[in-house]
Amino acid sequence: AQKITQTQPGMFVQEKEAVTLDCTYDTSDPSYGLFWYKQPSSGEMIFLIYQGSYDQQNATEGRYSLNFQKARKSANLVISASQLGDSAMYFCAMREPYTGNQFYFGTGTSLTVIP
Amino acid sequence: EAGVVQSPRYKIIEKKQPVAFWCNPISGHNTLYWYLQNLGQGPELLIRYENEEAVDDSQLPKDRFSAERLKGVDSTLKIQPAELGDSAVYLCASSVHSGANTGELFFGEGSRLTVL
Repeated sequence: AQKITQTQPGMFVQEKEAVTLDCTYDTSDPSYGLFWYKQPSSGEMIFLIYQGSYDQQNATEGRYSLNFQKARKSANLVISASQLGDSAMYFCAMREPYTGNQFYFGTGTSLTVIP
Repeated sequence: EAGVVQSPRYKIIEKKQPVAFWCNPISGHNTLYWYLQNLGQGPELLIRYENEEAVDDSQLPKDRFSAERLKGVDSTLKIQPAELGDSAVYLCASSVHSGANTGELFFGEGSRLTVL
């Protein structure tokens, strides 16, 4: 079974609108971490936001927020007020201490912001 | 604070030739990862080091790939001989785990390999 599933290969959003990128995960480890990374065309993976499995509140970092629904095992990324520079690949990832803190990545979602 | 440094950024070689990639992690990061990323895919782990010990190399094709992390700092990933299917981006990342941080991965810019 896939550890991280991202079902949206590509998404489009109008500039200044909000967009939600979906991510579901699979683990039996009670303690895990969820991450979102942005990868622009330049290639570098940029860390955006983190959610710990025991965190009661959804994580927020500026225009990024993580909609964490633990029972559904989903960790969707919400980008508010989209900007042209948000056009990139977005990867959801999970760190699983049970497997020695191994990181698992999804297949990514390509986001295009339309002016 | 300097980030993760990788070199070369780009490498084009003929098949059957050897190639090596170098990575310098962030100072103080004891965990170092090498990932393979094919076009349009997420990173896939090749090998993970805790200090100088390779703690997870189950996905490393050991017949042609090798890696080392001498003194627990810099690391080198080698492919010999390279095959056409090895064309990809090789990403290095480092992290440090403690109660005070989230343990996120810090990535280098990657080394893009093209095998002709």
